[in-house]
Amino acid sequence: EAQVTQNPRYLITVTGKKLTVTCSQNMNHEYMSWYRQDPGLGLRQIYYSMNVEVTDKGDVPEGYKVSRKEKRNFPLILESPSPNQTSLYFCASSLMGQGSSPLHFGNGTRLTVT
Amino acid sequence: GENVEQHPSTLSVQEGDSAVIKCTYSDSASNYFPWYKQELGKRPQLIIDIRSNVGEKKDQRIAVTLNKTAKHFSLHITETQPEDSAVYFCAATDALYTGANSKLTFGKGITLSVRP
Repeated sequence: EAQVTQNPRYLITVTGKKLTVTCSQNMNHEYMSWYRQDPGLGLRQIYYSMNVEVTDKGDVPEGYKVSRKEKRNFPLILESPSPNQTSLYFCASSLMGQGSSPLHFGNGTRLTVT
Repeated sequence: GENVEQHPSTLSVQEGDSAVIKCTYSDSASNYFPWYKQELGKRPQLIIDIRSNVGEKKDQRIAVTLNKTAKHFSLHITETQPEDSAVYFCAATDALYTGANSKLTFGKGITLSVRP
């Protein structure tokens, strides 16, 4: 089944404790991206990647890191999480480009930073 | 950069009625306009999209119209059902012809409630 898999689904952590949210897609998509969703603010892009070893900042990259060492994986790293990073995170992939082909979203990761 | 706005932020309709959700965009170069539906607790999923060379597109009970002059596009849902209750996100990009690095900008989302 074609899908984008995120883990974990739920994560509660404390301020400053490094964490990684994994994202993997099995559709051989070139493009992958991370979004955060907050009430009243919609979907805001954190980072995106056009291909292996190619990443770029989205609208809200501060406090986040990403890497794209393999085509299928695009982990999101929070080196020192803070409470304002409490949010619902979505990974997405598409065959090409930033929305010129449909985005396939993962099931989301709900992160709480205390 | 592109700015996409959705109006209203919430919409409530009676089952069986039609619902119209409007979005405006600012960049006249935008040429691809997808709509995503997010049911409660689920991920966003593409439901319909339209390209700038088309004025209207239909898929069963949903349709999208585009007015390039006024820079707005709308999602129309006819014969609404309770399962249409969700958050709907519109988006815009100029990526269709200008290349992969163009940005997809989302609106903030509209919550549609269909009353049984």
